[in-house]
Amino acid sequence: TQLLEQSPQFLSIQEGENLTVYCNSSSVFSSLQWYRQEPGEGPVLLVTVVTGGEVKKLKRLTFQFGDARKDSSLHITAAQPGDTGLYLCAGQNNAGNMLTFGGGTRLMVKP
Amino acid sequence: GAVVSQHPSWVICKSGTSVKIECRSLDFQATTMFWYRQFPKQSLMLMATSNEGSKATYEQGVEKDKFLINHASLTLSTLTVTSAHPEDSSFYICSARGLRTHGYTFGSGTRLTVV
Repeated sequence: TQLLEQSPQFLSIQEGENLTVYCNSSSVFSSLQWYRQEPGEGPVLLVTVVTGGEVKKLKRLTFQFGDARKDSSLHITAAQPGDTGLYLCAGQNNAGNMLTFGGGTRLMVKP
Repeated sequence: GAVVSQHPSWVICKSGTSVKIECRSLDFQATTMFWYRQFPKQSLMLMATSNEGSKATYEQGVEKDKFLINHASLTLSTLTVTSAHPEDSSFYICSARGLRTHGYTFGSGTRLTVV
């Protein structure tokens, strides 16, 4: 069974601060996805990283996939209240037929 | 882009009754659909995977006779919670994947409350 450990579980920061969320595993994933979920809604895909060492930027969000494809990070610069939500990482197995979700990071950005 | 519609968005039912949740892929053929359960402030837990025309594969600990999954067409999968009890109250989310779509598209979820 592939497991993904996500940290921190909860983060409360002031508007304008930077933050990093980590997603770690002892297993190798063919790709890793980051999602954001708002209360009462399904997860919305933010990015997919596929290549070890890959870095992708989405405005103030920077995603990195570890060289060994076992870990990933999400860095948010100058957080805004609109960034508040549940952030989920999910790894795809090598067979490409299943996603394993991390435990989630609940982010609250205070104005 | 790929869109998945999940219905209903919320439902309240009496204990002992059955509830059906639908998951439809609107603009692509979903060869595989996934059903997740999410408790408050927790992550998504995979319940089962279903391929069109085949029986669903359930994760360990998920009762297949309680959570009936049907994936009879390439655009529709249903999850029926049979003889629902208050402990079945949760947020249920479906996800679909097609032959030409490499990603996973999620529905908006169904909040089930059993009273």
